[in-house]
Amino acid sequence: KAGVTQTPRYLIKTRGQQVTLSCSPISGHRSVSWYQQTPGQGLQFLFEYFSETQRNKGNFPGRFSGRQFSNSRSEMNVSTLELGDSALYLCASSLPAGVHTDTQYFGPGTRLTVL
Amino acid sequence: GENVEQHPSTLSVQEGDSAVIKCTYSDSASNYFPWYKQELGKRPQLIIDIRSNVGEKKDQRIAVTLNKTAKHFSLHITETQPEDSAVYFCAASTGGFKTIFGAGTRLFVKA
Repeated sequence: KAGVTQTPRYLIKTRGQQVTLSCSPISGHRSVSWYQQTPGQGLQFLFEYFSETQRNKGNFPGRFSGRQFSNSRSEMNVSTLELGDSALYLCASSLPAGVHTDTQYFGPGTRLTVL
Repeated sequence: GENVEQHPSTLSVQEGDSAVIKCTYSDSASNYFPWYKQELGKRPQLIIDIRSNVGEKKDQRIAVTLNKTAKHFSLHITETQPEDSAVYFCAASTGGFKTIFGAGTRLFVKA
């Protein structure tokens, strides 16, 4: 099976702009989670989607939003970019097994630089 | 809120020695504890995981232990090799489909 893919791999934006990142999960996986990774903060949970519904959200401002489509592909959007949004954005997909959170498989990430 | 503390932040060992990384979680509802290895410039990769109904799990040179009472879990790597050098993340997850990661441990294995 193909792994999790993310596009684009690299992005350079300026403050105030907005950006949309895309994630395609492993075929058959219906849960997609998004994380922000920075050197000082590690992996910070943004949100999780399952069957087009956001089931959980981390402690990020409303400028960060996401959605999931019927084919399980997911996008996240960051509006009014700030310098501090520069980070590696990772998505991970999983095949939830009942009430247990199953193994997450990560994509290669999108490196966002805000100038 | 939920929190996972991971120690140490940096660990340097000689090749062949053992390495131990420890994590503490706060949410008593956590029931799944994965460990990820992230090499420079690459995505995190699952190396081992453990569920709350198991106290210990081993896979070749890697083992994980879980103490639910103390809310501690640890990663043990024996006979370390230079290719074990990477950043290791612990994580704790609940049935609410939210995974909280530790801050990471940078492991250096000196040849």
